[in-house]
Amino acid sequence: DTAVSQTPKYLVTQMGNDKSIKCEQNLGHDTMYWYKQDSKKFLKIMFSYNNKELIINETVPNRFSPKSPDKAHLNLHINSLELGDSAVYFCASSPGGPKPQHFGDGTRLSIL
Amino acid sequence: AQSVTQLGSHVSVSEGALVLLRCNYSSSVPPYLFWYVQYPNQGLQLLLKYTSAATLVKGINGFEAEFKKSETSFHLTKPSAHMSDAAEYFCAVTDHGSSNTGKLIFGQGTTLQVKP
Repeated sequence: DTAVSQTPKYLVTQMGNDKSIKCEQNLGHDTMYWYKQDSKKFLKIMFSYNNKELIINETVPNRFSPKSPDKAHLNLHINSLELGDSAVYFCASSPGGPKPQHFGDGTRLSIL
Repeated sequence: AQSVTQLGSHVSVSEGALVLLRCNYSSSVPPYLFWYVQYPNQGLQLLLKYTSAATLVKGINGFEAEFKKSETSFHLTKPSAHMSDAAEYFCAVTDHGSSNTGKLIFGQGTTLQVKP
């Protein structure tokens, strides 16, 4: 069983569209994260939830909205997609605090 | 603010040679330190972590890293490279101020190439 799974794996869409990426973890972890990896492979934290509560909210455009219906799921909704949103988005989970994080395989978002 | 520097965006070694990937952090208080590996089209996988126990940390796949407070470094090494080690390697830190959230700050990454 995949520990942290993201869907879809690839997402190709046009500028201005709205899209969502889903993430689920079956590790029983309390904390989940979204990271963005740009074309130069640089990774940056976007959001984090602990038991459905938002605990990290970095400087991210308001077009990005995370939602955590329960502690096993963290979804990312993006409105009015722009060319600069093209990237690989990674979901991760951990027991919390400075414990190691487990990553999904990523969602490659391409904006045409 | 905490930062992480990985010296060398590309490292090339021959199969069987020593691997040395460099990582320096900026905090005056030793943070929690991690090395992750990313194989093509995959997510990140934890290699090893330092959490203020032993300064020499052993990880998976024969990798190890040594924490040196005086040099604010956490360099990753492997005595003998395998072709399968070719990947992207990331050093990351969580400082004590962010330890409750687990916020990871990543270095720029180092691409390891292993030549036959």
